[in-house]
Amino acid sequence: DTGVSQNPRHKITKRGQNVTFRCDPISEHNRLYWYRQTLGQGPEFLTYFQNEAQLEKSRLLSDRFSAERPKGSFSTLEIQRTEQGDSAMYLCASSFFPTGRGEKLFFGSGTQLSVL
Amino acid sequence: AQSVTQLDSHVSVSEGTPVLLRCNYSSSYSPSLFWYVQHPNKGLQLLLKYTSAATLVKGINGFEAEFKKSETSFHLTKPSAHMSDAAEYFCVVSPHTNAGKSTFGDGTTLTVKP
Repeated sequence: DTGVSQNPRHKITKRGQNVTFRCDPISEHNRLYWYRQTLGQGPEFLTYFQNEAQLEKSRLLSDRFSAERPKGSFSTLEIQRTEQGDSAMYLCASSFFPTGRGEKLFFGSGTQLSVL
Repeated sequence: AQSVTQLDSHVSVSEGTPVLLRCNYSSSYSPSLFWYVQHPNKGLQLLLKYTSAATLVKGINGFEAEFKKSETSFHLTKPSAHMSDAAEYFCVVSPHTNAGKSTFGDGTTLTVKP
């Protein structure tokens, strides 16, 4: 078990550019979540997948954001036409479902995005 | 609907003294409650979870939390702080089977003084 891996760790981009982040979950986990965290706040849910199906998207996920998990393993999160307000830490988490009551999430270290 | 309030944004204790991080929640259903810890440059790690079994929950690294329905609280405690406990702590309320609907508190930064 190598844990949840996210790449890159840091990304600096200019406003208007597109960026893509990758998340590799724990191998046997079928659920994968994306969260966004800004300074001084807790993580906010963006979207999640069960296997390759995207089951839910937050209203925070504007049409500039798209996430995929094509083979039910790794996932990518793309932000098009980045804005300064997109600057945040993007966290990925995975879990195995079902596990009974209380779904436990395993988090990656995140990708810190800075939009200049 | 659900919400969670961490009552202190910063807590400072001396090494060897007790830790108390306070969390109140509201929920229209019987929720699962969690505490996660985040060390600098690391991902969030689960400390403990409550899922409607025992109201006193023991977690890793000597932490425990007590679910008090009448007070809608889920405070995190540890009898004796260690320097390595310095981190950000998040209280989370969630439906039992959908972490996507979890609500995270804004976090409490714990500082441990030597």
